[in-house]
Amino acid sequence: ETGVTQTPRHLVMGMTNKKSLKCEQHLGHNAMYWYKQSAKKPLELMFVYNFKEQTENNSVPSRFSPECPNSSHLFLHLHTLQPEDSALYLCASSHGTGPYEQYFGPGTRLTVT
Amino acid sequence: DAKTTQPNSMESNEEEPVHLPCNHSTISGTDYIHWYRQLPSQGPEYVIHGLTSNVNNRMASLAIAEDRKSSTLILHRATLRDAAVYYCILRDGSKVDSSYKLIFGSGTRLLVRP
Repeated sequence: ETGVTQTPRHLVMGMTNKKSLKCEQHLGHNAMYWYKQSAKKPLELMFVYNFKEQTENNSVPSRFSPECPNSSHLFLHLHTLQPEDSALYLCASSHGTGPYEQYFGPGTRLTVT
Repeated sequence: DAKTTQPNSMESNEEEPVHLPCNHSTISGTDYIHWYRQLPSQGPEYVIHGLTSNVNNRMASLAIAEDRKSSTLILHRATLRDAAVYYCILRDGSKVDSSYKLIFGSGTRLLVRP
């Protein structure tokens, strides 16, 4: 148990659906991250939030829309996804946006049909 | 950004020590060496980090070469639970606006035989 939870753990959605991934951290951290892990590819950083403000968007397509209502919660809203977006989506948190340890959740396994 | 090179896979016997190497010949003076691991069906997990001196914690030890161009993660007694992908990552501590970045490579897949 890392103190970072993600729901749902598995999600299957059609290309026309809209769904949201949720992440919650119980560590009192100020920074939160979304990563994508595709099959046979390294983890890729998608978004970074620090004190609820987005500080990085790593050229992610607009069909992925993050939301950070407070320092403990992070959402990833999904719409009009493509089959190649199928991947493991990981949330992480850290004390701040410095060289701090990052604590990862278990991930949401997303399949787009 | 300085890069790291790790073997694709390694095997070990349970209860024996494991030495996981990492080469980082272009490391800069402000790069910290971080290790994370990812167990099957889980997110990555922080293991250890260091700058110049060798480091020990409850999970592992990190041995850093004197010229810092390579390092070795040491698991003193491998267990089946240590079977994972191990990532060696450099993080530039001097770059305030980007030192948070964890750039994952392919890592080393460790297989532990019972």
